[in-house]
Amino acid sequence: DARVTQTPRHKVTEMGQEVTMRCQPILGHNTVFWYRQTMMQGLELLAYFRNRAPLDDSGMPKDRFSAEMPDATLATLKIQPSEPRDSAVYFCASGFFERGEQYFGPGTRLTVT
Amino acid sequence: AQSVTQLGSHVSVSEGALVLLRCNYSSSVPPYLFWYVQYPNQGLQLLLKYTTGATLVKGINGFEAEFKKSETSFHLTKPSAHMSDAAEYFCAVSDRDSGNTPLVFGKGTRLSVIA
Repeated sequence: DARVTQTPRHKVTEMGQEVTMRCQPILGHNTVFWYRQTMMQGLELLAYFRNRAPLDDSGMPKDRFSAEMPDATLATLKIQPSEPRDSAVYFCASGFFERGEQYFGPGTRLTVT
Repeated sequence: AQSVTQLGSHVSVSEGALVLLRCNYSSSVPPYLFWYVQYPNQGLQLLLKYTTGATLVKGINGFEAEFKKSETSFHLTKPSAHMSDAAEYFCAVSDRDSGNTPLVFGKGTRLSVIA
């Protein structure tokens, strides 16, 4: 049963530290998305890639967030420096660009103190 | 831009009762339509989807949804609620002409099932 995997599942860090979250999309999927979920804002799209090329990252704070796909099996989301307001659950999702549906990973719960 | 409205942030039903979660979209061109479910501390799981063809779509766990173009709606139903259905449900749309553009999600409806 193919699934999107994310690591770590939980991360607690202090303000100012760098945070790296990793995602392994489902093999063969050509589109990868990063979302953030908070109680106040709900689900927010941060960035997405098609065939490893970034298509849109307008949802990310550019000065501190960066997203990359070093290869087809790995997507990363980095926050440097982290701030308490970054505390949220970060989801990765993957899919086929042509089909519409997306498959979500279990998320990384980030707490910045 | 696409938008999705889910009526009711919280719906409470008795076990065995009908579940009805409402979703309306804004596009004049029928988009792809989806329902996702999120259990506590988990990611979103695809329940069902509508792309083309039959307007009544069946999904997992006994859920189904009907696409009604005239009403721009895609309401989710289940004839008989089970305690395990308690979760957050999200309706989402994708622009048909743009393929797998980022899904636009509704704000979610939390379903509670009372014994």
